Amino acid sequence: IQMTQSPSSVSASVGDRVTITCRASQGISGWLAWYQQKQGKAPKLLIYAASSLQSGVPSRFSGSGSGTDFTLTISSLQPEDFATYYCQQANSFPYTFGQGTKLEIK
Amino acid sequence: EVQVVESGGDLVQPGGSLRLSCVASGFTVSGTYMSWVRQTPGKGLEWVSVIYNTGDGSPYYADSVKGRFTISRDNSKNAVYLQMNSLRTEDTAVYYCAACVAVTGGYFDYWGQGALLTVSS
Repeated sequence: IQMTQSPSSVSASVGDRVTITCRASQGISGWLAWYQQKQGKAPKLLIYAASSLQSGVPSRFSGSGSGTDFTLTISSLQPEDFATYYCQQANSFPYTFGQGTKLEIK
Repeated sequence: EVQVVESGGDLVQPGGSLRLSCVASGFTVSGTYMSWVRQTPGKGLEWVSVIYNTGDGSPYYADSVKGRFTISRDNSKNAVYLQMNSLRTEDTAVYYCAACVAVTGGYFDYWGQGALLTVSS
């Protein structure tokens, strides 16, 4: 299953609302996760099962979608949110990740 | 405290072999999915392999490593391993050990710091 994220990069300002999209090449129901990765660090789980917020993750992060189309929304960007974001399907093996979306400061 | 620590990264010649280790603390590797995920320098994430906690723990592999890599588990050491044979330059990457601890269903909530494998002559 191929996962395609858009955009590949986005520039935004602190306080902005940002939406990242992930599309699966075939239906994956709600078997989708979102991760945040900062330079030189391991990925961090933000959202699982498409819309469930991982423990300890701020509520400004939210996920939605089902089937083939999913979104990650950050309601009000904070300085610590500038990072690269990846989606991952957990519907079937081999698990696959999107190519990543780099969120940069405008 | 839940922790996952990889070790074993090194510089290896093409065609060579290497074994990565992943030692867990704060949870038991036999009770969850354990995976290896790699990241090529400057590139994205690629899932490599998983070993299950259910049934016979049959492993699964990415097509790119099938037949060359083997994942295994030692419950007595609370560790997971990735034996990598017939290494290619394109296997050069940071290899992360990832676990599904508090979240079930193939979502990785704990990751190690990564182990760097460089395949070069």
